Order: sequence, then structure tokens, then C-alpha cells
Amino acid sequence: GAGVSQSPRYKVTKRGQDVALRCDPISGHVSLYWYRQALGQGPEFLTYFNYEAQQDKSGLPNDRFSAERPEGSISTLTIQRTEQRDSAMYRCASSLRVRTGENEKLFFGSGTQLSVL
Amino acid sequence: AQKITQTQPGMFVQEKEAVTLDCTYDTSDQSYGLFWYKQPSSGEMIFLIYQGSYDEQNATEGRYSLNFQKARKSANLVISASQLGDSAMYFCAMRERDTGGFKTIFGAGTRLFVKA
Repeated sequence: GAGVSQSPRYKVTKRGQDVALRCDPISGHVSLYWYRQALGQGPEFLTYFNYEAQQDKSGLPNDRFSAERPEGSISTLTIQRTEQRDSAMYRCASSLRVRTGENEKLFFGSGTQLSVL
Repeated sequence: AQKITQTQPGMFVQEKEAVTLDCTYDTSDQSYGLFWYKQPSSGEMIFLIYQGSYDEQNATEGRYSLNFQKARKSANLVISASQLGDSAMYFCAMRERDTGGFKTIFGAGTRLFVKA
């Protein structure tokens, strides 16, 4: 696609339910990142992938959060047994290359606004 | 530990004047990249400018320039001739080597208000 696509755009769920957030990166982009952004704050790193390999998941808050990218393209961020504190904007970003990557800018999706009631 | 520090939660600037948004960073890597992104009220993240750690000259992109002081680990964004459309959140970010690749981390942001 032309840009990074995230779905759903909005997700309202009840506490204790599981949610799955989807990210479809720009075609051909090798790296895919997940961030969480609270209102008025900067994006907080969660995890990232190169191709299908999850390289760093140090930002995932706890073991209720997991992510996968099984075929190196679309990624899913799953939050199990959601809690109210999980409410935030979840953003996905992708970048083109892996090597000599310090100059690679990120292309962001519009995000999924998660509200846990 | 905070790796990207933006000390100005909010800034005001008069239209047509210049404004500097501060950013300091912390890294032990020799090779890294510094970025500024703009986030208007619509929520999209817009790339503005990039500075590489080995670049000797300050980066410029139109009305945006990056005042890079490597020894002080600062990468301030300068916006010249401010416009009303510049009102937005601005995030400083650093891209550094991580296990298996590169990771980009962001500061808390500075909200800029441009006054007519």
C-alpha cells in the first residue's frame, strides 16, 4: 500500500478482554516498530521486527503484551486480559532497510486508539 | 534512564519569528542518527529533518535547521519565520544500534504555539 495501515482505527473493549491490533507496513519495508503514545506524550517504544524476526521486545510492559510478524509483512500486537491502564494510542511504523540504518526515517500509521472500560 | 530529553513542555513564538526547540540525548554509540518529527493536532507523525552523528555540517531543510553540538550531545531544532501552521507537537528522536538492527526512541515532546 501507499502508507502504513493500521486497524482498527478505534477499539473499545471491556477490562479483561483480549485485543489484537493490526499493522500493514509499506510494501518492501524491512523493519516494523510498535509504539504506544499517551495523550500529550512522546511515542514509547514497545518492540520491533526485522523481517519476521522480533529483535527487541524490551519495551513491552509485561507478559500480557505480545507481537508477531510471521511472514515478515503484516504484524499483530496482542494485549491479553486488558486493563484500564492499557488505554492509549498504539502506533506502528516501518522503515526500509536494516543495514546502515541510522539515517532511516520512520513512516507512521494513523494508530489504533484503544479504550479499555 | 532518559535518553532523549526535551526540557520545554510548551513554547510560544510570534508569527514570522524564529524559535529554537531544545533536545539533548545520551548514547555511548559512535554512530547514531538524530531526527525531528512534527505531530499536528490531526495526530499524524511528519518527518522534518535528520542529522547523522558523523555529519560535520548542521542539517537544513527549508525553514528547519538542526543545531548539532556533538560534544554537548544536543540537537536543537530551529524553525525560522514561524507560521501559524507550525503550531504542533515536536518530537526529538534518536536512532541507535540495537541487537539485530536499529531502534528509534523519542523524547517527551515540546508543544509549540505560534501567535498571530
